[in-house]
Amino acid sequence: DAKTTQPPSMDCAEGRAANLPCNHSTISGNEYVYWYRQIHSQGPQYIIHGLKNNETNEMASLIITEDRKSSTLILPHATLRDTAVYYCIVRVRNNNAGNMLTFGGGTRLMVKP
Amino acid sequence: NAGVMQNPRHLVRRRGQEARLRCSPMKGHSHVYWYRQLPEEGLKFMVYLQKENIIDESGMPKERFSAEFPKEGPSILRIQQVVRGDSAAYFCASSPLTSAEGYTFGSGTRLTVV
Repeated sequence: DAKTTQPPSMDCAEGRAANLPCNHSTISGNEYVYWYRQIHSQGPQYIIHGLKNNETNEMASLIITEDRKSSTLILPHATLRDTAVYYCIVRVRNNNAGNMLTFGGGTRLMVKP
Repeated sequence: NAGVMQNPRHLVRRRGQEARLRCSPMKGHSHVYWYRQLPEEGLKFMVYLQKENIIDESGMPKERFSAEFPKEGPSILRIQQVVRGDSAAYFCASSPLTSAEGYTFGSGTRLTVV
């Protein structure tokens, strides 16, 4: 799986948009970009994934550059409960669910009042 | 629909004892993954299992650790003769046969070796 690079930490004001970047310059054509987060002491939580088109769900938006070498996770209105470590992961999405997720260091997002 | 259930939530063992961690996947999920998170570190893959089969155990320590996912019942991660370095949070995840959204994680078991 391609390696990802994320800033180790970021701050965001409550109510503002949080934009979390991720570089994955060695991503291959069949690899998807996944985002998970881990709130303190809890298990990781799936947020969103995409291949090349921008994606949006009730939690966040995912913007993937045209060359797919980087992406940005956007939390449109961050709340204090969004304080967590956010992980960007690239992996092949195959049909037998065989590929495990490889977690890097992630970005520690601190949402401040 | 209950999520991935792990028990116990907290487990204390003395050095040399055995630790057994249980994971019940979500209903309909046939794949189970175990991860370990040492204090202040990231999640490290340990083992991937399907019913009655170990598919990938490349992240498992070669000694003292074993995992199973029987035809009936939960997946079990067993650590024999625990040492203080085994103190960590152990997370289990499950997924269905086709995994578009990735995995669903449990709340973890926090093992403390005293």
